[in-house]
Amino acid sequence: DTAVSQTPKYLVTQMGNDKSIKCEQNLGHDTMYWYKQDSKKFLKIMFSYNNKELIINETVPNRFSPKSPDKAHLNLHINSLELGDSAVYFCASSQVPGQGPYGYTFGSGTRLTVV
Amino acid sequence: QKEVEQDPGPLSVPEGAIVSLNCTYSNSAFQYFMWYRQYSRKGPELLMYTYSSGNKEDGRFTAQVDKSSKYISLFIRDSQPSDSATYLCAMSRPSGGYQKVTFGTGTKLQVIP
Repeated sequence: DTAVSQTPKYLVTQMGNDKSIKCEQNLGHDTMYWYKQDSKKFLKIMFSYNNKELIINETVPNRFSPKSPDKAHLNLHINSLELGDSAVYFCASSQVPGQGPYGYTFGSGTRLTVV
Repeated sequence: QKEVEQDPGPLSVPEGAIVSLNCTYSNSAFQYFMWYRQYSRKGPELLMYTYSSGNKEDGRFTAQVDKSSKYISLFIRDSQPSDSATYLCAMSRPSGGYQKVTFGTGTKLQVIP
């Protein structure tokens, strides 16, 4: 199946821990993203990579560090987790954003709960 | 003021009703306008996108853009219980050589059988 897949689907962890979320897409897209969706369903961009190059880096605590080993993979590592980090994290991919319209293909999300 | 405003709802309608979902925006630089549907505990999926002012139809769905009023709409005809989901508007504008996408907060729709 062609898709954006992310693991794990659920993650419950204690404050202060370090955790990683992994994302892979087999759509042949050049651009990948991490979004955070809060309890009010607001989707906020965190990072975007285009062909392994960081192109969007919104105001995110430096405890969050993305890494793209190749254009099909984008991982997110979070250090020293805080209660406020509890949210659903979505990975997405798209064709290279350029002159034409494009849409995102989203993964199913990772529901992170920090206790 | 947020760049994109969307009424969070919830919106409850009977099956078969015509549904109207709306977003307003403040930045005239937005070029592309999109609607996503998000089922509970799933990722958003792209429904429709438009570029210019006017209407675009796809089956029971019609997307409408009025750039002069900075207002976009999604109409769903003959609504079905399977349309129950959260609908997010999104729009993009040029930023640093790329298109930057901003999402609305979503409107939760419930279609009652």
